[in-house]
Amino acid sequence: GDSVTQMEGPVTLSEEACLTINCTYTATGYPSLFWYVQYPGEGLQLLLKATKADDKGSNKGFEATYRKETTSFHLEKGSVQVSDSAVYFCALSGHKFYFGSGTKLNVKP
Amino acid sequence: GAVVSQHPSWVICKSGTSVKIECRSLDFQATTMFWYRQFPKQSLMLMATSNEGSKATYEQGVEKDKFLINHASLTLSTLTVTSAHPEDSSFYICSARDRTGGSYNEQFFGPGTRLTVL
Repeated sequence: GDSVTQMEGPVTLSEEACLTINCTYTATGYPSLFWYVQYPGEGLQLLLKATKADDKGSNKGFEATYRKETTSFHLEKGSVQVSDSAVYFCALSGHKFYFGSGTKLNVKP
Repeated sequence: GAVVSQHPSWVICKSGTSVKIECRSLDFQATTMFWYRQFPKQSLMLMATSNEGSKATYEQGVEKDKFLINHASLTLSTLTVTSAHPEDSSFYICSARDRTGGSYNEQFFGPGTRLTVL
């Protein structure tokens, strides 16, 4: 069945460091892929999405490229800020919505 | 656009009482809404899929009589936790799928409801 696997956290970085959160998926068909962000005590906010292979989603300095050959959708940011501290979820939309386990990011000043 | 609201944002209740949580799509019509449960430091667990005008589809292991779902209109779904107990304490999140099909496979999430059962 469809599933999403993302790297476990927490990930702790200093401000302005580079970020990569790995996400791989298994799916039948051609799912859409998403990254959501959850701040403490809040719901999920869509960060970016990609609907087909080779699409690149981007928002607020974050990027992720839908790579069908490696079944991956890694989240990247060149320079993180303290305000990026949150939990990040990779997800795919197939028959249902499938979420990864979430990766907590802590950015220190 | 594509805003989903939940009410209440948090609720504290006594064991044995029932609690109703509302999920509304504010600026679009949603034929399908989803209810998730999230335990601390964990991912979202899909509880049920709610279709307007029909019975909800529950995931394996979710008690239908415990978690009553009603999707009476294209903009409102409700989750009622009946005879709540402390183990029902959790963060409940709803999401909605736009019926227009422009972003058919995208779900828009509500801000969540924190339920604490004493």
